[in-house]
Amino acid sequence: DIQMTQSPSTLSASVGDRVTITCRASQSIDSWLAWYQQKPGKAPKLLIYKASSLDSGVPSRFNGSGSGTEFTLTISSLQPDDFATYYCQQFNSYSKTFGQGTKVEIK
Amino acid sequence: QITLKESGPTLVKPTQTLTLTCTFSGFSFSASGVSVGWIRQPPGKALEWLALIYWDDDKLYSPSLKSRLTITKDTSKNRVVLTMTNMDPVDTATYYCAHSGVGGWFDPWGQGTLVTVSS
Repeated sequence: DIQMTQSPSTLSASVGDRVTITCRASQSIDSWLAWYQQKPGKAPKLLIYKASSLDSGVPSRFNGSGSGTEFTLTISSLQPDDFATYYCQQFNSYSKTFGQGTKVEIK
Repeated sequence: QITLKESGPTLVKPTQTLTLTCTFSGFSFSASGVSVGWIRQPPGKALEWLALIYWDDDKLYSPSLKSRLTITKDTSKNRVVLTMTNMDPVDTATYYCAHSGVGGWFDPWGQGTLVTVSS
């Protein structure tokens, strides 16, 4: 079973900051990784699929990179609407594991 | 436009079996590559993938919950049903269903339904 580890668990940042979240897989998943954004009381929303492809309508300040076992989600200039929890998910194997989440808080 | 909606009981007793239905529109299991998954989220905690069913009736289950889960589909009614046996208070969570295409990522998701396990 592939394990996904996100870091940090919580991140405090200000509007305009560049923010980076890391997701590590316990074994290679090629580029079979997605990133989701979740706001309180809402369902997760797809941001990035196949590690670096931006979903339709997602602002270009979001960027995904990586392959194999290490991946990053970068927000180039944090906006008020971006304060949320972010999850990575692998869909390489027969088990579609999520990371434990990274909460982006207002500093 | 693809939409999904979960339905089922909001309260179940310990040891009971939970049955949740995901009713969807905007896609069909007649299309190759389509799948629907179930994911849950305990209050204040992370997302946990539970099960996935494909257009060809192939099924995947979370290894840790496999013995308790059954996922089925009704292609004619555009529904997916998840059953979870022997419910426990730790299974209290919001349960989501989500569409997955050929690529495997979940998009979009239903609004979720909160299930509380309590006597």
